[in-house]
Amino acid sequence: AQSVTQLGSHVSVSEGALVLLRCNYSSSVPPYLFWYVQYPNQGLQLLLKYTSAATLVKGINGFEAEFKKSETSFHLTKPSAHMSDAAEYFCAVTIQGAQKLVFGQGTRLTINP
Amino acid sequence: ETGVTQSPTHLIKTRGQQVTLRCSSQSGHNTVSWYQQALGQGPQFIFQYYREEENGRGNFPPRFSGLQFPNYSSELNVNALELDDSALYLCASSLRQGVAGYTFGSGTRLTVV
Repeated sequence: AQSVTQLGSHVSVSEGALVLLRCNYSSSVPPYLFWYVQYPNQGLQLLLKYTSAATLVKGINGFEAEFKKSETSFHLTKPSAHMSDAAEYFCAVTIQGAQKLVFGQGTRLTINP
Repeated sequence: ETGVTQSPTHLIKTRGQQVTLRCSSQSGHNTVSWYQQALGQGPQFIFQYYREEENGRGNFPPRFSGLQFPNYSSELNVNALELDDSALYLCASSLRQGVAGYTFGSGTRLTVV
């Protein structure tokens, strides 16, 4: 079975600082990995996805993530935080042939002015 | 291209009642999945529908049931509501198996009192 662990339920950074949200996965077969963002009272919006092509994946809003098989990680980064980045972020994993996404518990990102 | 739409957006029900939530899938998608997101947690997979049949189920009791219609829209039905059923219910559409990504709706906030 697949699983995801997001390290840090809350992350706070200053506006303009680097954003780093950590995600480690567990899967016995090659995974497909996703980052979603959720703004208050809204659904999930796809930021980016890894589907076995390039290990460095670029997404929307300046976010990117790097798939590191040796570390079983898929950390999300953004060079310079913006106030509008404040939201809940979820890492998720699935595999070929599976019917579901398995989500982490989420990381709440706060941006300080 | 239309996204995923869910109705209603908010709902209050009494314990023991029944509820039906609705979802219209994104144009071109033939698979619908439902997720339950309790407050402060990541979404949990309820079930998936493909070709009008259940195509995978998470750890939810039989009082959670669903339907998919020929136009790929879907319903989630919950019988004998319990207080713990209070959550945000998310619908996601995809092509089968969804490794290219799932498109989520904005969700239905269900409160059971």
